[in-house]
Amino acid sequence: DQQVKQNSPSLSVQEGRISILNCDYTNSMFDYFLWYKKYPAEGPTFLISISSIKDKNEDGRFTVFLNKSAKHLSLHIVPSQPGDSAVYFCAASAGNSGYALNFGKGTSLLVTP
Amino acid sequence: EAQVTQNPRYLITVTGKKLTVTCSQNMNHEYMSWYRQDPGLGLRQIYYSMNVEVTDKGDVPEGYKVSRKEKRNFPLILESPSPNQTSLYFCASSSGGTVGTDTQYFGPGTRLTVL
Repeated sequence: DQQVKQNSPSLSVQEGRISILNCDYTNSMFDYFLWYKKYPAEGPTFLISISSIKDKNEDGRFTVFLNKSAKHLSLHIVPSQPGDSAVYFCAASAGNSGYALNFGKGTSLLVTP
Repeated sequence: EAQVTQNPRYLITVTGKKLTVTCSQNMNHEYMSWYRQDPGLGLRQIYYSMNVEVTDKGDVPEGYKVSRKEKRNFPLILESPSPNQTSLYFCASSSGGTVGTDTQYFGPGTRLTVL
C-alpha cells in the first residue's frame, strides 16, 4: 500500500513561474520528509528536507511546506528554470534517521522557455 | 569525491543465471540500501543494512539476497533472475545520524534486463 502519494504524474510550467509539486502521506508516524530530484540516466539527488517540527524550510529557490494535520507537503520552486526539468520524488521516514525511506511515484516537471 | 558507485551500469542476462550487482561508498556511511525503480511504481526498497553484518528486508525482497561484510560494500545478489526482475536498480547510503543529517546518497543506477 502506497504510504506516500504523488498524484500528479507530470507538471508543465513556464520559465520564471512558480512550480508547485504536491505530496500526501498516510502514515502518521512519518516525521521526516525529503524531496529528491532525478535526471534521466542518473541516480536521485537530495534536494531539500523538512522535519515534522517545522512547517517550512527554504533553500534558495526551493521551499518545502508541511501541513501535518492534512498529511500534505509541497515543494515550491521559484522562479522555475529549464534546468529544473526532472522527475521529483517525495520521500518520508519515521524515527530519527533516514532509514527505510518511503518514496512516492514521482512527478515529472517540465519547465518550458 | 564522495560517491556511491555501482557496477555494472547495464546488464542483460538470461533467466536463472546468477548475477551480482556491486555497490560501494567512500563516505564511511553505516546505512546502505537497495531500491528498484519501475514505471508507475516509483522507488521501492529491496533490502537495507544498518551496519556490517546487519541486514533486513525492505518492501520487495523476494528473489534477492544481500550481504554486508565490509562497511563500504553492499552487493545485491540475484541467485536465479527472472524477467520480473527487469528493472532499474539504485544503491544508496547514509550516515544514519540524526534528523537533518542522514540524507541518503544514491548511486547512478544499474539497468538490468532479464530475458
